[in-house]
Amino acid sequence: NAGVTQTPKFRVLKTGQSMTLLCAQDMNHEYMYWYRQDPGMGLRLIHYSVGEGTTAKGEVPDGYNVSRLKKQNFLLGLESAAPSQTSVYFCASSPPGGDYGYTFGSGTRLTVV
Amino acid sequence: LAKTTQPISMDSYEGQEVNITCSHNNIATNDYITWYQQFPSQGPRFIIQGYKTKVTNEVASLFIPADRKSSTLSLPRVSLSDTAVYYCLVGDKGSARQLTFGSGTQLTVLP
Repeated sequence: NAGVTQTPKFRVLKTGQSMTLLCAQDMNHEYMYWYRQDPGMGLRLIHYSVGEGTTAKGEVPDGYNVSRLKKQNFLLGLESAAPSQTSVYFCASSPPGGDYGYTFGSGTRLTVV
Repeated sequence: LAKTTQPISMDSYEGQEVNITCSHNNIATNDYITWYQQFPSQGPRFIIQGYKTKVTNEVASLFIPADRKSSTLSLPRVSLSDTAVYYCLVGDKGSARQLTFGSGTQLTVLP
């Protein structure tokens, strides 16, 4: 049981490049989330999904897009990367009941130069 | 969304009990209180969750007074490996709530 798996773990992008971060969970959770964490700060919600085919904006959605074509996968896309998007990105999932909170992945460290 | 306030940092020594208090004055009726632990370069990890009174698991205890406007995470006999950031969150666990992580409390356990 792998839990929540994020790929890649590290990535360096040039300004203007695009990329997709992949999150996969094997716990059959309905809800999935993308957060970013900047140095010394808490996590901020980017987008979330309550089920396959549905997504919604979180606290800081600008510059990002998401898709949930399959229940187990939640993709985060950066269409035109900017240095301000340098951050650590965490994916999480949870069941509808919310017992035992969220399960987080190990993160993707993204640097935009 | 209920806003939470917790100390920025705390120091403790190995073997001591540590209590971290979180204030959440505008907690709603359906809200639960959840605590997470985060080590450097890792995602947050669920520690404990409660609604009222006291909850205990193998890792920690959570104390919630009757008015639910605050909560206290208690870590018994901490060790160096408990050095981490601890987050208090409040929200309706039954919905796809947008959990807001504050800056958390940096706990440093000293030898």
